[in-house]
Amino acid sequence: EIVLTQSPGTLSLSPGERATLSCRASQSVSSSYLAWYQQKPGQAPRLLIYGASSRATGIPDRFSGSGSGTDFTLTISRLEPEDFAVYYCQQYGSSHMYTFGQGTKLEIK
Amino acid sequence: QITLKESGPTLVKPTQTLTLTCTFSGFSLSTSGVGVGWIRQPPGKALEWLALIYWDDDKRYSPSLKSRLTITKDTSKNQVVLTMTNMDPVDTATYYCAHSYYYDHAFDIWGQGTMVTVSS
Repeated sequence: EIVLTQSPGTLSLSPGERATLSCRASQSVSSSYLAWYQQKPGQAPRLLIYGASSRATGIPDRFSGSGSGTDFTLTISRLEPEDFAVYYCQQYGSSHMYTFGQGTKLEIK
Repeated sequence: QITLKESGPTLVKPTQTLTLTCTFSGFSLSTSGVGVGWIRQPPGKALEWLALIYWDDDKRYSPSLKSRLTITKDTSKNQVVLTMTNMDPVDTATYYCAHSYYYDHAFDIWGQGTMVTVSS
């Protein structure tokens, strides 16, 4: 089973700053099957990025994804107040299983 | 417009079986490439994938929970049902169903979730 480790656990930044969130896999992941989600308190997760770098419908272009193999990154270029939330990465692997990372909390500094 | 909604009991007793229903609209589970998955989230904790069923009735389960889970679909009713046996207080969580496509295996549309508490 592929384990996804997200870092940092908590990221404290101010609006307007750039956020860089990391997702590291215990073994190589197909870039086609790496996704990122945003979750706000009391809400269901929302898909941001699929295929490691493709933005989902309606997602602002300040969100971008990159990476390959075992290292993937979600970047938010200029933080807006509504971006402060918890972010999860998720992969689908060769064993036909899905796993999520433990999440990164992005909080206002 | 795709929507999904979970339904089921809010409280179950330890050792009981939980049955959750995901009722969806805006797509058909008989369409090639489509899947519906279940994901749960204990209070204050991370997301955990449970199971997924594809349009061709292929089914996938989390290895750690496989012995306790069954996922089925009723295409005519636009529903997916998840059963989990031998419930324990650690299974207390919000349970979500979500739509997925076979080509990217991302969960693009989620239901609102349903909170299930396991307690005697």
